[in-house]
Amino acid sequence: SQELEQSPQSLIVQEGKNLTINCTSSKTLYGLYWYKQKYGEGLIFLMMLQKGGEEKSHEKITAKLDEKKQQSSLHITASQPSHAGIYLCGADRGGSYIPTFGRGTSLIVHP
Amino acid sequence: GAGVSQSPRYKVTKRGQDVALRCDPISGHVSLYWYRQALGQGPEFLTYFNYEAQQDKSGLPNDRFSAERPEGSISTLTIQRTEQRDSAMYRCASSPGGGALNTEAFFGQGTRLTVV
Repeated sequence: SQELEQSPQSLIVQEGKNLTINCTSSKTLYGLYWYKQKYGEGLIFLMMLQKGGEEKSHEKITAKLDEKKQQSSLHITASQPSHAGIYLCGADRGGSYIPTFGRGTSLIVHP
Repeated sequence: GAGVSQSPRYKVTKRGQDVALRCDPISGHVSLYWYRQALGQGPEFLTYFNYEAQQDKSGLPNDRFSAERPEGSISTLTIQRTEQRDSAMYRCASSPGGGALNTEAFFGQGTRLTVV
């Protein structure tokens, strides 16, 4: 199975600060997905990256996939309390869409 | 329905009892996935279906776990003779599927199973 390492495991920031969450794989990623899990709720899809060097943005969240397709970063600009939650990266298992997930990064944003 | 619906939301059962967890995917979605998530961990793949066919059950921990999707829509995950280590959040997801890689999976809110 493809292991995904996320860092940091947890993050506490002041509102308005920028932050970055990383996801690293030991193998080339076929597709990289970022999800957000709010406490007590389901997983919410954020973005999917497939091509090396690809970058996507949604509102204040930007995700990038490196050229080697083994590392992705999720960057939040000017964080807000609404950004709080657990961010999970997921990757395809061998070319068919069955995402395996990292352990998640817990984000707390203090007002 | 508008989203993936799971029931019950919470289930407390005594050790040794059987439980059935239900997932109602988004209408028309081909693929349906079951995951298990322990506290502080990411979701762990259990099994998935395309239509009514179970494509991959490699993630099922042992033969006490089974899943079906007889009509290619609603799916049931059954755990027989539950044990305390089965306690977790069980999540279901569906996607348009059909072999397309560039599709997202939509997750339900999960069923929190507690075995006492």
